[in-house]
Amino acid sequence: GQNIDQPTEMTATEGAIVQINCTYQTSGFNGLFWYQQHAGEAPTFLSYNVLDGLEEKGRFSSFLSRSKGYSYLLLKELQMKDSASYLCAVADSNYQLIWGAGTKLIIKP
Amino acid sequence: GAVVSQHPSRVICKSGTSVKIECRSLDFQATTMFWYRQFPKKSLMLMATSNEGSKATYEQGVEKDKFLINHASLTLSTLTVTSAHPEDSSFYICSARDLGQGDSDTQYFGPGTRLTVL
Repeated sequence: GQNIDQPTEMTATEGAIVQINCTYQTSGFNGLFWYQQHAGEAPTFLSYNVLDGLEEKGRFSSFLSRSKGYSYLLLKELQMKDSASYLCAVADSNYQLIWGAGTKLIIKP
Repeated sequence: GAVVSQHPSRVICKSGTSVKIECRSLDFQATTMFWYRQFPKKSLMLMATSNEGSKATYEQGVEKDKFLINHASLTLSTLTVTSAHPEDSSFYICSARDLGQGDSDTQYFGPGTRLTVL
């Protein structure tokens, strides 16, 4: 079956760094997405990885290893506004997104 | 960047009535749009895939006669919740695939529509 796993909840301190992991097993692979979702709002796109390696966008970076079925989202210099849920999603062979349940990130002062 | 709008953002209706939600891609053409439903504290649940000019593909367990989807143009898809009941109250989110972004195949999400059925 198809499965996306990510931690349910993480806590980090303002100004610190946090890494949110995502492992996947899907029928086919056409890229992995990370989305940020604040409570009550629709998800917003953060990153897309289809090749192995690290993609950096400002304070956020995303890493992919296709052979390991593994990705992580790295958030640096954490700010209180980064408190949100982070969704990992994989596009399968039909380009349909398979979603993880999301990781709730709590930032403490 | 690519923008997807939804209208209305919030709607409250009486049980038994029908509600139409519009999803528009404002600055790109979307041959494929997706409709999601999100329950509190849960991830998005794909309801159906909407393809321009053809019938929507519904996920297992989603009633196609209750959730009518029409993708009339490359920039507009509509979801109509027919004979709404309180259990249909939820956050409905659409997304559109921007094929013009080369191989990225990114989905851009609309802001969502919160439906409350009394």
